[in-house]
Amino acid sequence: EAAVTQSPRNKVAVTGGKVTLSCNQTNNHNNMYWYRQDTGHGLRLIHYSYGAGSTEKGDIPDGYKASRPSQENFSLILELATPSQTSVYFCASGDDGTGGFGPGTRLTVL
Amino acid sequence: QQKVQQSPESLTVSEGAMASLNCTFSDGTSNNFRWYRQHSAKGLEVLVSIFSDGEKEEGRFTAHLNRANLHVSLHIREPQPSDSAVYLCAVSSNTNKVVFGTGTRLQVLP
Repeated sequence: EAAVTQSPRNKVAVTGGKVTLSCNQTNNHNNMYWYRQDTGHGLRLIHYSYGAGSTEKGDIPDGYKASRPSQENFSLILELATPSQTSVYFCASGDDGTGGFGPGTRLTVL
Repeated sequence: QQKVQQSPESLTVSEGAMASLNCTFSDGTSNNFRWYRQHSAKGLEVLVSIFSDGEKEEGRFTAHLNRANLHVSLHIREPQPSDSAVYLCAVSSNTNKVVFGTGTRLQVLP
């Protein structure tokens, strides 16, 4: 049974629209992460969290917000989506820096 | 800021031949190194983790770490066509922020 799940798996949004990507983990890890993966850039860290109520900026936070309402859930929010945010987004959990990864969400912003 | 670079960008080997992938990093205080495999934009599967100089074997996958040379490698023994994927190197330190390389695309020919 998958320990890190993401929803939706695929999303098409319009420019200027609001998008929320959700992540749930059953590992009971304190740390959770949001990455995006683009050709030529590998995985880049957007936001991370040390526990419920905590959110921290990663390397490329501009245009993104994060929310950690509970130990299990970590959301990534695009208030005003832009075509440059078209990407594959991965959530991860792990107290040692990296742990299990979710299956990814493919987001297309038209 | 940590820089992680992988080489080669792509590699083609015949089934059964050894495959060797390289990863260099810039932060000499890094102490946590992982190799992941990713099939076609799916989630990441951790192959081997290594934390001290030397080698670590997990089945057909062996990681070699030389922190003095800022280098970690992955060797795949007897690769199979099902090993065809993108291989990612991930490096972190006590700050828990992980930096990924851009990946090596491996193709194993039958």
